[in-house]
Amino acid sequence: AQTVTQSQPEMSVQEAETVTLSCTYDTSESDYYLFWYKQPPSRQMILVIRQEAYKQQNATENRFSVNFQKAAKSFSLKISDSQLGDAAMYFCAYRKEGAQKLVFGQGTRLTINP
Amino acid sequence: EADIYQTPRYLVIGTGKKITLECSQTMGHDKMYWYQQDPGMELHLIHYSYGVNSTEKGDLSSESTVSRIRTEHFPLTLESARPSHTSQYLCASSEGGLPGPQHFGDGTRLSIL
Repeated sequence: AQTVTQSQPEMSVQEAETVTLSCTYDTSESDYYLFWYKQPPSRQMILVIRQEAYKQQNATENRFSVNFQKAAKSFSLKISDSQLGDAAMYFCAYRKEGAQKLVFGQGTRLTINP
Repeated sequence: EADIYQTPRYLVIGTGKKITLECSQTMGHDKMYWYQQDPGMELHLIHYSYGVNSTEKGDLSSESTVSRIRTEHFPLTLESARPSHTSQYLCASSEGGLPGPQHFGDGTRLSIL
């Protein structure tokens, strides 16, 4: 069975600094997708970034980028120039090709210090 | 902001009651999902739908049922609520060609006394 592990229950960073959230996963599949979702307190969860496993190039979305290491089964999220609005729970998720089930990690609570 | 709406936001109700959690989206998305999330924990898929009249059970066993009579509407029903059903329920949707849920509702925090 696929599993997703986020080893950092909590992280904090100074405003305007860069922070990296870790995610590792376990799968025997070769085709799959990886996601980072952001869930602010009492607000909607939103998709931050998505990576297709067949793509070698790391996905980027403005200040958010990933470091996808397929061989190591690692999928970290880097947030540059952290802003107060980045404070949230961040969930890493995995989905194999052809399936609907998303396997979520336990989440990392990110605090931004002004 | 995403156009996906869940009602109610909060519900506290007694054991044995029938409950329907509403979820609607105005984006015309084919795929819709229900997730269950305990506080501070990961999400677990309990139901999903590919389109009208299509529903499937997810990874986490749930005593709830769903229906998809209209594209925009994906309600979840508990016939007889129990304290073990206390949790947050998140509805989500995505466009047909995309691999994962894009938009989530605000969630319904359900407490069964």
